[in-house]
Amino acid sequence: DTEVTQTPKHLVMGMTNKKSLKCEQHMGHRAMYWYKQKAKKPPELMFVYSYEKLSINESVPSRFSPECPNSSLLNLHLHALQPEDSALYLCASSIDSPGEQFFGPGTRLTVL
Amino acid sequence: QKEVEQNSGPLSVPEGAIASLNCTYSDRGSQSFFWYRQYSGKSPELIMFIYSNGDKEDGRFTAQLNKASQYVSLLIRDSQPSDSATYLCAVRNTGRRALTFGSGTRLQVQP
Repeated sequence: DTEVTQTPKHLVMGMTNKKSLKCEQHMGHRAMYWYKQKAKKPPELMFVYSYEKLSINESVPSRFSPECPNSSLLNLHLHALQPEDSALYLCASSIDSPGEQFFGPGTRLTVL
Repeated sequence: QKEVEQNSGPLSVPEGAIASLNCTYSDRGSQSFFWYRQYSGKSPELIMFIYSNGDKEDGRFTAQLNKASQYVSLLIRDSQPSDSATYLCAVRNTGRRALTFGSGTRLQVQP
């Protein structure tokens, strides 16, 4: 298995909702990443997990809460988001941190 | 000063021509350099990486690295309309456990 999977593909949520994004890889990679990407902008790093420990939090608001239950799985819990949080959320993994990163297809999030 | 700089484009080339994409970086200790291709609405796809000075070729793609001048470039030979995308340069800096991305160059290959 040489891919990173993300679910759901699309998500629409209200500002009071709680939802989660899921990312999975079975390549034995030990680093996993969350990025946010707005239209016509590069990916913006949010969090890095290395060996299941949070190693980088790029001053992301607490309404985004990452979780790494095991080396293959990465979640992003969402609560009380704002419309400006609408974006493509990308998960990536690499053998180690930093390294060649492989991206999942992304979750297109719309906050109403 | 941005750590990784790319011309946003669009860079427009005719089909069959060579497209040359450039990237400069500020951290002289940078070790590894990556090129990603991103189609509109899709996620970035790794197409090349280079660690050593000089050229690295893979099919129609050639990555060139000049550490003394702190630039890395991507050449696409025999450009096809399907190469039309945004190309992101990413750099592994010293002491940072994540890649630093440039803002990307949009390439348009005209049939």
